[in-house]
Amino acid sequence: GAVVSQHPSRVICKSGTSVKIECRSLDFQATTMFWYRQFPKQSLMLMATSNEGSKATYEQGVEKDKFLINHASLTLSTLTVTSAHPEDSSFYICSALSIAGAGEQYFGPGTRLTVT
Amino acid sequence: AQSVTQLDSQVPVFEEAPVELRCNYSSSVSVYLFWYVQYPNQGLQLLLKYLSGSTLVESINGFEAEFNKSQTSFHLRKPSVHISDTAEYFCAVSDVSGNQFYFGTGTSLTVIP
Repeated sequence: GAVVSQHPSRVICKSGTSVKIECRSLDFQATTMFWYRQFPKQSLMLMATSNEGSKATYEQGVEKDKFLINHASLTLSTLTVTSAHPEDSSFYICSALSIAGAGEQYFGPGTRLTVT
Repeated sequence: AQSVTQLDSQVPVFEEAPVELRCNYSSSVSVYLFWYVQYPNQGLQLLLKYLSGSTLVESINGFEAEFNKSQTSFHLRKPSVHISDTAEYFCAVSDVSGNQFYFGTGTSLTVIP
């Protein structure tokens, strides 16, 4: 149980276009979902926290107008990278916090975004 | 707030030798502790976790970690490593709500044949 999926797993887009990444909790409901970013050879950095039905809370330094987060249901959160640039190329990982769980985040497999 | 420190950024070790990856944390509240493994170009895989109960936790592939509250540590150990253990290992700490989750900077384990 407690599986989180992400789609797509890899995406290549041209500079200036927008890309949407989906994060789904497959067998549980998630009160809160988190979006992380990982640069090569580095650790994960929290970008934002989203609660179902409310606006996301962004970490300092993360542009909320560039990284749009929508958490429309208890099983789905989306991250849209708007007007993507090469410096947005990164590995994006989501996680979900179960309603019924003991406070443990479950991580998705990640999405590799490459902006050309 | 919590924080976690992984002092060793790179650990080379010969195959079949023992290894310890160090993790120390700081927190003023009760915490959960985790170790994740990440293979190249892949996502995170949970290796083991401490939520409560026995302070010694084990994974299915021979790793173990011990929660030491007095030393605020959660070091990861394996008595005999394999080539396939070569990967990046992340220690993480969270509060018991799960909302405050912090990763260490990672330790790159390289097993040498």
